[in-house]
Amino acid sequence: DGGITQSPKYLFRKEGQNVTLSCEQNLNHDAMYWYRQDPGQGLRLIYYSQIVNDFQKGDIAEGYSVSREKKESFPLTVTSAQKNPTAFYLCASSRGGAGELFFGEGSRLTVL
Amino acid sequence: AQSVTQPDIHITVSEGASLELRCNYSYGATPYLFWYVQSPGQGLQLLLKYFSGDTLVQGIKGFEAEFKRSQSSFNLRKPSVHWSDAAEYFCAEASGGGADGLTFGKGTHLIIQP
Repeated sequence: DGGITQSPKYLFRKEGQNVTLSCEQNLNHDAMYWYRQDPGQGLRLIYYSQIVNDFQKGDIAEGYSVSREKKESFPLTVTSAQKNPTAFYLCASSRGGAGELFFGEGSRLTVL
Repeated sequence: AQSVTQPDIHITVSEGASLELRCNYSYGATPYLFWYVQSPGQGLQLLLKYFSGDTLVQGIKGFEAEFKRSQSSFNLRKPSVHWSDAAEYFCAEASGGGADGLTFGKGTHLIIQP
């Protein structure tokens, strides 16, 4: 079945460590997105990529980095510069344009 | 800046009663609008979308939404809720014509009373 796979589902890290969240899709979608979700805050856009080897900052990109070397993959690195990294992270993809987003199951990062 | 407003943080409805969740958007003469549902600890699932045409849109799980340009609203409705409808509901609008992803409201938490 086609879909989006995020891993790991749960991740615990010590303060000051970088962590990388994986996102893979087999929907043949051009566009991919990373959102952060905090209680009562809805979803906020971190980074997005409309094509391989290109990506743009979203509303809250500080302290995060991404790469898009393959169409299927869009990993997110949460760096030590991110002041409050504990959150639920959602990856999504779309065909591009104004199409709907398809979401993965999310990764919950807890920084101790 | 573009924004989507969901005025109700929590809504409690009795099982079998009707439901309406409110959403107001702020951008675009021809907005692209979406409703998503999220179960705890899960990703988001699309319920329905509006791009153009008929202002009453049918979705999955018996949900519908009505686009009202004069009120900048896109409210979600269901005639009779089931306990399984308890979840978080998000309204969203396509940003930058859609190329920049979606702008989401803060969500409405739906509680179903037996």
